[in-house]
Amino acid sequence: EVVLTQSPATLSLSPGERATLSCRASQSVSVFLAWYQQKPGQAPRLLIYDASNRATGIPARFSGSGSGTDFTLTISSLEPEDFAVYYCQQRQHWPPLTFGGGTRVEIK
Amino acid sequence: EVQLLESGGGSVQPGGSLRLSCAASGFTFSTYAMNWVRQAPGQGLEWVSTIRNSDGYTWYTDSGKGRFTVSRDNSKNTLYLQMNSLRAEDTAVYYCVKVGTPTMNMIFDSWGRGTLVTVSS
Repeated sequence: EVVLTQSPATLSLSPGERATLSCRASQSVSVFLAWYQQKPGQAPRLLIYDASNRATGIPARFSGSGSGTDFTLTISSLEPEDFAVYYCQQRQHWPPLTFGGGTRVEIK
Repeated sequence: EVQLLESGGGSVQPGGSLRLSCAASGFTFSTYAMNWVRQAPGQGLEWVSTIRNSDGYTWYTDSGKGRFTVSRDNSKNTLYLQMNSLRAEDTAVYYCVKVGTPTMNMIFDSWGRGTLVTVSS
């Protein structure tokens, strides 16, 4: 099973600041990593797939990078609506398909 | 617009059963693999099961094997999850999730709002 470790667990930032979230895989997942955003009481929403491709309708301030075992989600300038929990997910080795434990981006 | 509407959640005692349903609309249901993903209260996301569109082949998380059965009725555009021998650790919101392309790429591009299952005595 591929274990995805996200860091930090919580990121405290102010609107307008840059957010950098990390996801590390226990073995290579090539570029087959996605990022999801989840707000309280809502279902997750796909942001990035295959490490660096923005999903339909996702603003350009969201970007993804990485390959192999180390991946990064960057939010270039935080908007008030970006404060949420972010999850990574790999699809290279499944079953089981696995998610990271999440990073909460909170308002400082 | 893709819509996924789950139903069938509720409270059940340990050892009991529930059948979840997911009514799909806004896309050609029969051409996409479908999934269940769950989220325990205050916890992260956990993949539960996948069913392929072409032949109904299924996959399960280890904790669900032998207890959960995923199925689909393409004539009704509906996905199901039959859950038996339920345990307290099955308590979660269960999401119905569509993959992004008919090639079963396991990118989860559309999610339902979820249905809450509570297993407690």
